[in-house]
Amino acid sequence: ETGVTQSPTHLIKTRGQQVTLRCSSQSGHNTVSWYQQALGQGPQFIFQYYREEENGRGNFPPRFSGLQFPNYSSELNVNALELDDSALYLCASSFRAQEETQYFGPGTRLLVL
Amino acid sequence: KNQVEQSPQSLIILEGKNCTLQCNYTVSPFSNLRWYKQDTGRGPVSLTIMTFSENTKSNGRYTATLDADTKQSSLHITASQLSDSASYICVVSPNSGAGSYQLTFGKGTKLSVIP
Repeated sequence: ETGVTQSPTHLIKTRGQQVTLRCSSQSGHNTVSWYQQALGQGPQFIFQYYREEENGRGNFPPRFSGLQFPNYSSELNVNALELDDSALYLCASSFRAQEETQYFGPGTRLLVL
Repeated sequence: KNQVEQSPQSLIILEGKNCTLQCNYTVSPFSNLRWYKQDTGRGPVSLTIMTFSENTKSNGRYTATLDADTKQSSLHITASQLSDSASYICVVSPNSGAGSYQLTFGKGTKLSVIP
């Protein structure tokens, strides 16, 4: 167990809907990174939050947005869901933005129908 | 484009046997390379992390090697156990000056250990 928790564990949505995924970072960590992992693929970096500010973004459209709260927990929001958004969404926390080791949560599996 | 290629895509071995997984990368400049173990439907768990100046790093029955000149790494698993069945993902981080948070993940090698 890494101490990083995510909710919900599973989620089913329909195309066009909006979804919010949540992540609680490990105690003492101020950085949260979000990843999308399609079936049979490696995780793809979505974005990172450091001390409540976005600290870098991967190649994802603006309908993927996020927040980090004062307690360093984080949300990933996806608007106008598409079928290809079906994936395992992972968050990882680290002590600082360029910390070598990121601790992953168990993920939220999203299915878009 | 930074890429990480892993081989084989999948592997089946008998319990107690050894195996070696391969990782080639094109990430440059390079900061560090990590191997993660990911059980099905779970988040990845770090096994080893090596900087460009390290050649080998061990964690119990897992031993990772790195050749920064040829941009190759391997993960050797000794005396495999049924619980080793998982995907093993190679992850490369660019030089911290370029933003080390942008990790590049391989697709993983799916290892199945059978009795």
